[in-house]
Amino acid sequence: SQTIHQWPATLVQPVGSPLSLECTVEGTSNPNLYWYRQAAGRGLQLLFYSVGIGQISSEVPQNLSASRPQDRQFILSSKKLLLSDSGFYLCAWRQGPWNTEAFFGQGTRLTVV
Amino acid sequence: GDSVTQMEGPVTLSEEAFLTINCTYTATGYPSLFWYVQYPGEGLQLLLKATKADDKGSNKGFEATYRKETTSFHLEKGSVQVSDSAVYFCALSDLQAGTALIFGKGTTLSVSS
Repeated sequence: SQTIHQWPATLVQPVGSPLSLECTVEGTSNPNLYWYRQAAGRGLQLLFYSVGIGQISSEVPQNLSASRPQDRQFILSSKKLLLSDSGFYLCAWRQGPWNTEAFFGQGTRLTVV
Repeated sequence: GDSVTQMEGPVTLSEEAFLTINCTYTATGYPSLFWYVQYPGEGLQLLLKATKADDKGSNKGFEATYRKETTSFHLEKGSVQVSDSAVYFCALSDLQAGTALIFGKGTTLSVSS
């Protein structure tokens, strides 16, 4: 069966520090991968998605970047965090056609102080 | 562009009450529709889905019917339990809109005994 791992679960980082969040999927190949951010009262905002290795699409221009160095690995990064980067970050994967469901990781609670 | 609108929360109910959470959508194509649930501190879990008009998705006592004529996918449960307390998200996937799911802002449900 397929599983998705996301870490760390919580993170407290100072303003201006770098960020690296990692997500890996097991039990499938060539998944579509997604990074969402959830801010209080604002639902889920799609940040990046990837349909293959090295292919990244950005939905919202901002202080973050994403990379997909391997088929089932998706990394969210920042060179210098801002206070506004605080939130709950969720990785998700999806297989097959557009009408299938997405599966989510457990999320990372990021607090920038 | 495509969008999902959910009723504003929080929704506060007593145990065994009837639940309705309204969801309407705007889509350029013919979307698939989903309900996800998020328990505190966790990622999102698929609750149910429907891929074509008049389909009824159901799971754990929850139901939602895909109504193309009213562009709606309202979530219902006949008798809620304290354990149903969570945030509920309506979402759509539309080939015309790309590969990602588009979410509503979420509705917080609180059930008291």
